[in-house]
Amino acid sequence: AQRVTQPEKLLSVFKGAPVELKCNYSYSGSPELFWYVQYSRQRLQLLLRHISRESIKGFTADLNKGETSFHLKKPFAQEEDSAMYYCALSGGYQKVTFGTGTKLQVIP
Amino acid sequence: DTAVSQTPKYLVTQMGNDKSIKCEQNLGHDTMYWYKQDSKKFLKIMFSYNNKELIINETVPNRFSPKSPDKAHLNLHINSLELGDSAVYFCASSQGGSAYNEQFFGPGTRLTVL
Repeated sequence: AQRVTQPEKLLSVFKGAPVELKCNYSYSGSPELFWYVQYSRQRLQLLLRHISRESIKGFTADLNKGETSFHLKKPFAQEEDSAMYYCALSGGYQKVTFGTGTKLQVIP
Repeated sequence: DTAVSQTPKYLVTQMGNDKSIKCEQNLGHDTMYWYKQDSKKFLKIMFSYNNKELIINETVPNRFSPKSPDKAHLNLHINSLELGDSAVYFCASSQGGSAYNEQFFGPGTRLTVL
């Protein structure tokens, strides 16, 4: 079975402070990990994926297989980063498991 | 030129009724999905179709019946609606059979069962 855990329902940080959204997963094989984001009144969209090893809007995420984690980080939070963030895992054919989501609130 | 569209956006209905939600994508994708997001924002996959064939059915009650008339459409029909069916339902699509591909989501349909 595949499972994704996001321990924080809400994370509040001040503008300019570093951000780390936690994600841990459980999967017996080699997973592909994603972060999706849902801004207010917008649809859910892909932020970044592990396989691309990219930085999007200043966010990065590193897959740590030893700790089974895929935390999302940004050195300096911006107000426009306020949104709902979902960590997701794909372990097989067309099945993606989403975490419960973390609401990021950036305080001006 | 909306990529993934859903209708209706809001649906309010009585318990016991039958209702449908429609989804269409114009991205040329061959795989479509339905997700349910509950009041706690938990997002869970319900169904996945690839080239009009059912691939994933995640222990969803039989009252839920997806129908894919063609690759661009995946509709969700719900019979005998229950209070617990109240949620936001998201349609999504992706290209290719691999779940490693990005999924594109619709705006969601907020279903309220009274």
